[in-house]
Amino acid sequence: GDSVTQMEGPVTLSEEAFLTINCTYTATGYPSLFWYVQYPGEGLQLLLKATKADDKGSNKGFEATYRKETTSFHLEKGSVQVSDSAVYFCALSDSGGGADGLTFGKGTHLIIQP
Amino acid sequence: DAGITQSPRHKVTETGTPVTLRCHQTENHRYMYWYRQDPGHGLRLIHYSYGVKDTDKGEVSDGYSVSRSKTEDFLLTLESATSSQTSVYFCAISGDRALNQPQHFGDGTRLSIL
Repeated sequence: GDSVTQMEGPVTLSEEAFLTINCTYTATGYPSLFWYVQYPGEGLQLLLKATKADDKGSNKGFEATYRKETTSFHLEKGSVQVSDSAVYFCALSDSGGGADGLTFGKGTHLIIQP
Repeated sequence: DAGITQSPRHKVTETGTPVTLRCHQTENHRYMYWYRQDPGHGLRLIHYSYGVKDTDKGEVSDGYSVSRSKTEDFLLTLESATSSQTSVYFCAISGDRALNQPQHFGDGTRLSIL
């Protein structure tokens, strides 16, 4: 079956540091890939997505590139802020994000210190 | 933000009692989902719906049932709650899968079974 693997953390960085959160996946088809962010006490918010190989998703300074050859979708940001502290989830959908649900990684807790 | 309302937001109940959680959407989206979030597991799909009266099981459906009598409402029922069902429950919706539309999440229901 489909699966997503990501570092669980917590990952602790200083403000303005470079961020990488690794995400790798296994899937039977050609999945769409997503990063979601969850702030304390809230639901998940879509951060970015990519639907085919070599696509780059980007939003709010975050980027991730769909790498089919390495089955990866690593999240990066050049300069993190305290407000980026949250839990980040990598997810995939084998059905284009519609029915059948998403398969999630376990989440990475990111802590940014001033 | 997607118009998704989950109710109740918090509930404490006793083992063996029935519990119903409600998800209401104002987006007229076809697809609706129920997930549970547990430490160390990320989010796992319980049930989903691809239209009125059309539902199917997800990864962790045992002990849960769902109903969708209207496009806007998707109910999750625990017929006889157990302590293992203590969790945070999230509803999600998505639109046209052919357009790779992503899932959008509600703010969650925190359920405690004593």
